[in-house]
Amino acid sequence: DAEITQSPRHKITETGRQVTLACHQTWNHNNMFWYRQDLGHGLRLIHYSYGVQDTNKGEVSDGYSVSRSNTEDLPLTLESAASSQTSVYFCASSETEETGELFFGEGSRLTVL
Amino acid sequence: GQNIDQPTEMTATEGAIVQINCTYQTSGFNGLFWYQQHAGEAPTFLSYNVLDGLEEKGRFSSFLSRSKGYSYLLLKELQMKDSASYLCAVRDSNYQLIWGAGTKLIIKP
Repeated sequence: DAEITQSPRHKITETGRQVTLACHQTWNHNNMFWYRQDLGHGLRLIHYSYGVQDTNKGEVSDGYSVSRSNTEDLPLTLESAASSQTSVYFCASSETEETGELFFGEGSRLTVL
Repeated sequence: GQNIDQPTEMTATEGAIVQINCTYQTSGFNGLFWYQQHAGEAPTFLSYNVLDGLEEKGRFSSFLSRSKGYSYLLLKELQMKDSASYLCAVRDSNYQLIWGAGTKLIIKP
C-alpha cells in the first residue's frame, strides 16, 4: 500500500543545532507540504513543493528550508534550532492541487531545549 | 486577515447527534474541508464542500453556506471512537489551505 512516512518520530535537540526531518511518500504525488501544529493554532504551512526542483515558502517559513530532488522525498531542515520551533511537524502530500485531499504522515515531535 | 473559527471543545453522549460549526473569513474561497484527528495521530480527510448544501457520507454530513461563510459537520449515532479533534480548513484564492484550530469532541457513555 502507498504511504507517507516521517522520521524521526521523536527528537530532542539543543538550541543552535541543525535538524533535518525526513518525509518519504510512495503515492507518487507531485505535491508535498510541511506543516507545524501547536496547541491553540491551526496547522500552519511551512514550505511546500509542487514537483521536483520546485519549493515555495509558506506562512511560517523563517528558520526552515526544504529541497526536492525527487518525487518521493521532501526533507525539512531547521538551520539553527530555536525553542520556538518546538512543535509537532506533519508532512503531507496530495495528488493534485485541485483535489485538496491531503494524506498526512504520522508526525514528528521535535523538542528544542 | 484570514480567519477560521470553530469551538475549542464540545461534549456529547454516545448514540446522540452533534453539530460542529465553522465560520470563516478568507481571501477567496475554493472549497472547505473537514478532517478528523485522533490524539497523537495524523489528520485524516472526512469531507469536502465547494457548493452550498449538504454532503452526506454515512454517519457524517457536512453543510456549506458560502454567502454566510459558514459550515458545519454533523455526526450522527455517535460512537466512542468518534472522540477526536475535528479540523475545518478553507482553500483560499491561492489554493492554500487555511486551518482552524480544531474542535476537540469528547464522547461520554
